[in-house]
Amino acid sequence: KNEVEQSPQNLTAQEGEFITINCSYSVGISALHWLQQHPGGGIVSLFMLSSGKKKHGRLIATINIQEKHSSLHITASHPRDSAVYICAVRSRTGGATNKLIFGTGTLLAVQP
Amino acid sequence: EPEVTQTPSHQVTQMGQEVILRCVPISNHLYFYWYRQILGQKVEFLVSFYNNEISEKSEIFDDQFSVERPDGSNFTLKIRSTKLEDSAMYFCASSAWEGFNTEAFFGQGTRLTVV
Repeated sequence: KNEVEQSPQNLTAQEGEFITINCSYSVGISALHWLQQHPGGGIVSLFMLSSGKKKHGRLIATINIQEKHSSLHITASHPRDSAVYICAVRSRTGGATNKLIFGTGTLLAVQP
Repeated sequence: EPEVTQTPSHQVTQMGQEVILRCVPISNHLYFYWYRQILGQKVEFLVSFYNNEISEKSEIFDDQFSVERPDGSNFTLKIRSTKLEDSAMYFCASSAWEGFNTEAFFGQGTRLTVV
């Protein structure tokens, strides 16, 4: 079983729609990251969360530590939001080295 | 804005050849990482490096892999004798310190193709 699960795996939306991508994890974590990967392959960090909620522009990320669940929301989606969105967690282990454990990603396509 | 830079962006090599992937982490960062993403699969941790030594490595990081920080700025991943299954996108990342609130910054990746 994967330590980090994302849903859905693929998501197609119409421009302007509100989008939610979910992430569940099974390990104790010290932080959770939401990352964006464009077709060229580069990875960009969107958020790092250890509790609560963060907002940046049209993006909102929430985390519920007790339920081991996080969501990434995109409001007023736009075709330029089309990318793979990846959830990754930093496992809280003894001698932690900050390595990230990645989910499989959610491929988002926003159609005009 | 400071960034992690990786070179080359794409490398094609013959099976059995040695390759060196290069990374320049953000200048005041202390922790360095290599990750790998085989086409169509999730990103996987390879190795972390701190204070001039490996602090953790995955089971993927076998004897054919090595990392080095040869000077104050570069961080390299060497694959001694490449195999077809080493074809992947390799990402370098760095972070400023070890702690729960540490953000990791990723390079744009090197796409390695072994033929």
